[in-house]
Amino acid sequence: TQLLEQSPQFLSIQEGENLTVYCNSSSVFSSLQWYRQEPGEGPVLLVTVVTGGEVKKLKRLTFQFGDARKDSSLHITAAQPGDTGLYLCAGQSSGSARQLTFGSGTQLTVLP
Amino acid sequence: NAGVMQNPRHLVRRRGQEARLRCSPMKGHSHVYWYRQLPEEGLKFMVYLQKENIIDESGMPKERFSAEFPKEGPSILRIQQVVRGDSAAYFCASSPRTVRETQYFGPGTRLLVL
Repeated sequence: TQLLEQSPQFLSIQEGENLTVYCNSSSVFSSLQWYRQEPGEGPVLLVTVVTGGEVKKLKRLTFQFGDARKDSSLHITAAQPGDTGLYLCAGQSSGSARQLTFGSGTQLTVLP
Repeated sequence: NAGVMQNPRHLVRRRGQEARLRCSPMKGHSHVYWYRQLPEEGLKFMVYLQKENIIDESGMPKERFSAEFPKEGPSILRIQQVVRGDSAAYFCASSPRTVRETQYFGPGTRLLVL
């Protein structure tokens, strides 16, 4: 059974601060996806990373896939109250299995 | 291009009744996945289907749960004789045919069993 450990579980910071969310596993994933979920809604895709060592930027968000494709991080620069939400990482298995294994999520609160 | 659609958004059932959850994938997507999010827990994979085929049902409970994705129409997740423990948010996701493609999620169906 593949597991994704996501940390921290809760994070409360002031507007303008930087933060990093981590996703770690002992398993190798063929790809890793980051989602953001608002209360009462489904996860909304932020980014997919596929290649080991890959770095993708989405405005103030920087996503990195570990060289061994076992871990990933999400870094937010100069956080804003609009960044508040639940951030989820999800790894996709190799081979024919295409299910996503989700981390437990990081609930981010950015205070004005 | 419409996203993944799920209905109903909210469903209330009494113990012992049946629940039917529907999912229409994004246009051009032929792969459908169902996930369940129990209260205070993360999303857990249930089943992966292509048109008229169940590809992977390793996450489905052995009894009372079934899923289908017919040639025409939406995918259906069916829960027979619901119990209180079935109360959860059920999410459908879809992806196109190619390998390692991203999964796009619908808004979910919140099932409450009284």
